[in-house]
This record gives sequence, structure tokens and C-alpha cells, in this order.
Amino acid sequence: KAGVTQTPRYLIKTRGQQVTLSCSPISGHRSVSWYQQTPGQGLQFLFEYFSETQRNKGNFPGRFSGRQFSNSRSEMNVSTLELGDSALYLCASSSGGVAYNEQFFGPGTRLTVL
Amino acid sequence: SQQGEEDPQALSIQEGENATMNCSYKTSINNLQWYRQNSGRGLVHLILIRSNEREKHSGRLRVTLDTSKKSSSLLITASRAADTASYFCATDRASNTGKLIFGQGTTLQVKP
Repeated sequence: KAGVTQTPRYLIKTRGQQVTLSCSPISGHRSVSWYQQTPGQGLQFLFEYFSETQRNKGNFPGRFSGRQFSNSRSEMNVSTLELGDSALYLCASSSGGVAYNEQFFGPGTRLTVL
Repeated sequence: SQQGEEDPQALSIQEGENATMNCSYKTSINNLQWYRQNSGRGLVHLILIRSNEREKHSGRLRVTLDTSKKSSSLLITASRAADTASYFCATDRASNTGKLIFGQGTTLQVKP
């Protein structure tokens, strides 16, 4: 099976712009979770989608949003970018069923906000 | 916010030695997972241990879980230079939430 893929791998934006990141989960996985990783805050959970519905959400402002499509692919959007949004954004997929939330991560998208 | 802490924050050993990393967490958990990350790249899933398990092995990896102490340890035996990476523990408090809470990680350097 192909692993989790994320596009783009690198992105440079300026403050005030918006950005959309994409994640394709492992075939057959229905759950996609998003995480932000920064040197200061470490790995923090953004949100999780399962069967096109947001099932859980972390403590991030409303500028961070996401969605999931019927083929389980997911996108996250960050509007009105701030310098502090510079981070590695990771998505993870899992079966989402009653299994034990074993999550498999993509390579990440490194976002730099200037 | 982080669920817990990992200890040590950094570890440097020689090839062939064993490496032990510890993870503590704050609340009850459903399961605990260990991940490896090389140089700011994606996370590689190493092992999952359920809350009702006490020990698990996978190749050169041995994970223990003590729910009474809210702690886990990851042992890498006969380390190799390729094991150089950051190691994170992650917990979830319930099944079917898709939410993992990560520790701050241990940076392991294995010198050839």
C-alpha cells in the first residue's frame, strides 16, 4: 500500500495570505488527523476528520480549518497567515474504527511565513 | 498542551549500546504509541501498546507501560548509527478520537 502523501512539501507565504495543504491517506483509511509541529510548542493536534465530518478539534484559532472529501483526502486551510504559523504540518491517517488509533504519518508540509 | 514529558531530552551513546527513553503522562489513556522522526521529517510509527498491556517487543525495540505510574519506556538494543533521530511518545485518552497527545521527545545520537 502507498503511504500517506502530503502536498506541497514546502511552501513560502507572506503574512496575511492564506494557504491550503493537502493530504491523501492510506487507501482504505477513513480518518485523517492534522498536527502542527514547531520548536517551541512541539507537536500539537489541530483536528481530525472521519467520513467527511470533523470529529475532534484542538485549541487553534478559527483561522485554521479543514475538510475531508468522499475519497478520504483531506485539506487544511490557514487564512490570514501570521509569522507564528511557520511550522511543519503533518497529517496522519488511520482506519478510524474501533482499533487503537494507530496513526501513520505523511512526510509533512513545511510552511514558512515571511 | 503536551500530555507529558520525556526523559532524557537528549541522549548520546556509542553504536552497539542500548538506549532507554522514558515517557510520563498525566491522564488515563487508551493506548500509548512511540514514533521516530528523522531531521524534521515525517513521523515513523514504531510500536503501539494498549493500556491493558505491560510489555511489547518489536525487533530491537522493547516498550513497557506502567499505568499506575503513568509512565512508559522505550528500549532500543544494540543501537546503530541509523537509529539517530528524535523519539516521541503519544497517547490518546479514548478510542475513535483521532487525537494523539505528544511528549516533547528525546533526541538520540548514536555515534559510529
